[in-house]
Amino acid sequence: EIVLTQSPGTLSLSPGERATLSCRASATVISNYLAWYQQRPGQAPRLLIYSASSRATGIPDRFSGSGSGTDFTLTISRLEPEDFAVYSCQQYGSSPYSFGRGTKLEIK
Amino acid sequence: QLQLQESGPGLVKPSETLSLTCSVSGGSISSRTYLWGWVRQPPGRALEWIGSIYYSGATYFNPSLRGRLTISVDTSTNRFSLKVISVSAADTAVYYCARHPGGSSYYSPVFDVWGQGTTVTVSS
Repeated sequence: EIVLTQSPGTLSLSPGERATLSCRASATVISNYLAWYQQRPGQAPRLLIYSASSRATGIPDRFSGSGSGTDFTLTISRLEPEDFAVYSCQQYGSSPYSFGRGTKLEIK
Repeated sequence: QLQLQESGPGLVKPSETLSLTCSVSGGSISSRTYLWGWVRQPPGRALEWIGSIYYSGATYFNPSLRGRLTISVDTSTNRFSLKVISVSAADTAVYYCARHPGGSSYYSPVFDVWGQGTTVTVSS
């Protein structure tokens, strides 16, 4: 099973700042099948990015994904108040399709 | 607008069977281009893919849970269901149903529509 390690565990930033979240895989993610999800408290996950860098429908362009192989990054260019949430990565190239434990993005 | 809604008991006794249903509205579960899956999140832990089903009944399971799982689909009622046998405290989690792309011979479990989730606690 591919283990996804997300860092940092918690990131404290202010609205308007840039956020950079990391997801490192224990083995190569096939075809860069790596997704990012946002989860606000008490809500279901929301798909942001798939295939490492493609934005899902309706996702603002301040969200971008990059990376390949084992190292992936989610960048939020200018934080809006509604962006403070937990972000999880998921690899879907190899079964079992695993998720990271998440990075909590909190208001500084 | 496609919506998914989970339903089922919130409390299950150890060694018994957990049963959940996901009702799909605003779209057809018989779509040729999507599969329907279950994902769970134990308290304080990562999300975990449980398994998925195609409208034809073809199923795909997380190997770690295979043997305890049944996923079924009812196209006449636009619903699909999850059963987990012999549950323990480790099965306590928020359970989500969700949709992902796929077809008769392939699937891509990136989940683009989710239900709100239902909390299941395993306790005597």
